[in-house]
Amino acid sequence: EPEVTQTPSHQVTQMGQEVILRCVPISNHLYFYWYRQILGQKVEFLVSFYNNEISEKSEIFDDQFSVERPDGSNFTLKIRSTKLEDSAMYFCASSEQELSTDTQYFGPGTRLTVL
Amino acid sequence: KQEVTQIPAALSVPEGENLVLNCSFTDSAIYNLQWFRQDPGKGLTSLLLIQSSQREQTSGRLNASLDKSSGRSTLYIAASQPGDSATYLCAVLTPSNTGKLIFGQGTTLQVKP
Repeated sequence: EPEVTQTPSHQVTQMGQEVILRCVPISNHLYFYWYRQILGQKVEFLVSFYNNEISEKSEIFDDQFSVERPDGSNFTLKIRSTKLEDSAMYFCASSEQELSTDTQYFGPGTRLTVL
Repeated sequence: KQEVTQIPAALSVPEGENLVLNCSFTDSAIYNLQWFRQDPGKGLTSLLLIQSSQREQTSGRLNASLDKSSGRSTLYIAASQPGDSATYLCAVLTPSNTGKLIFGQGTTLQVKP
């Protein structure tokens, strides 16, 4: 069964460093998302992406964050200058076509630790 | 602003028991509601999706209901098994045409053998 994959599974970085989290969505999906979950807290929406542009972004998704679909398969989240509070589990998700009826499929996540 | 709440935060039951998890949301304007399962340190697995026009969905031992007007959903698990132990999350899809899901904090279920 097709699945969303994410790399790396765990990333440790120093505060102020740039990180790129990578995702490979399910191949025929058209909508792509990033969510994050700080330990012990709710899963929070960061950004949605469709037709090579951002559809919606949350207040969390400030100028330090960016997303890109560099080729036909990868979807990346970049944090330019990481902060301690960026430490979280980051989930990529994708869905097929119809937003109201199609399930979002989540990847296994990347655990980001900022020291 | 849409808020999603799940009660209880944690639940421990003996194997074989039927149980109900609750989810409430403050704004009835939703496209759908989804229930997910999250195992410790893992991603989210979709269990059931109920569209806003539907009242319930069933998959195996799972049954989810939706009462949009009262802002409530329940997930019923029949004949619970130790393998059902996980955190169960509900999420509502906002009517923004962007796919934004708003999650509850989850109910952590432990099923004891």
